[in-house]
Amino acid sequence: DGGITQSPKYLFRKEGQNVTLSCEQNLNHDAMYWYRQDPGQGLRLIYYSQIVNDFQKGDIAEGYSVSREKKESFPLTVTSAQKNPTAFYLCASSRRPTGRQGYTFGSGTRLTVV
Amino acid sequence: DQQVKQNSPSLSVQEGRISILNCDYTNSMFDYFLWYKKYPAEGPTFLISISSIKDKNEDGRFTVFLNKSAKHLSLHIVPSQPGDSAVYFCAASAVSGAGSYQLTFGKGTKLSVIP
Repeated sequence: DGGITQSPKYLFRKEGQNVTLSCEQNLNHDAMYWYRQDPGQGLRLIYYSQIVNDFQKGDIAEGYSVSREKKESFPLTVTSAQKNPTAFYLCASSRRPTGRQGYTFGSGTRLTVV
Repeated sequence: DQQVKQNSPSLSVQEGRISILNCDYTNSMFDYFLWYKKYPAEGPTFLISISSIKDKNEDGRFTVFLNKSAKHLSLHIVPSQPGDSAVYFCAASAVSGAGSYQLTFGKGTKLSVIP
């Protein structure tokens, strides 16, 4: 079955540490996205990538970094520069253009800073 | 500046009645509108979409209506069931200035269906 997999489901980070969230898709989608969800804030775009080896900043990119070396993979690194990293992180992928099919989302990673 | 707005953070409906979730938008260049359903600690799942050239799309208990002149769309769920209790996100698709296609999401409406 095709899908998009995020790991781990739960992640704990000490202050000052960098952590990397994994996102893998086998849907042959060109585009991939990272969103952050906070209570009452909806979904906010962190980074997106339309093709391999290219990515663009979203609305809240500060303190985050990404890479897109393979079509299937789009890992997100939460750096120590991110002031408030505790949140629920969602990865998504889509065809181009998105059209009526929209995005396919992963099941999310809950990151907690301890 | 929010291009997609869901003005009701929450909605409660009795089981068996109609649920109506609303969404307003400002960008007339949106070409598709979509609704997603999200349970806690899970990723959103696609529910239904509508092209900007249509005014209605129906899929089982779910119907989306689009009023382009008012820049307004709504999702109707009939009849509502307890399993429909979730957060519903409205989203709209458009080509950005950089030539990429993105969805813009509203902040969501939490629907509670009361048995």
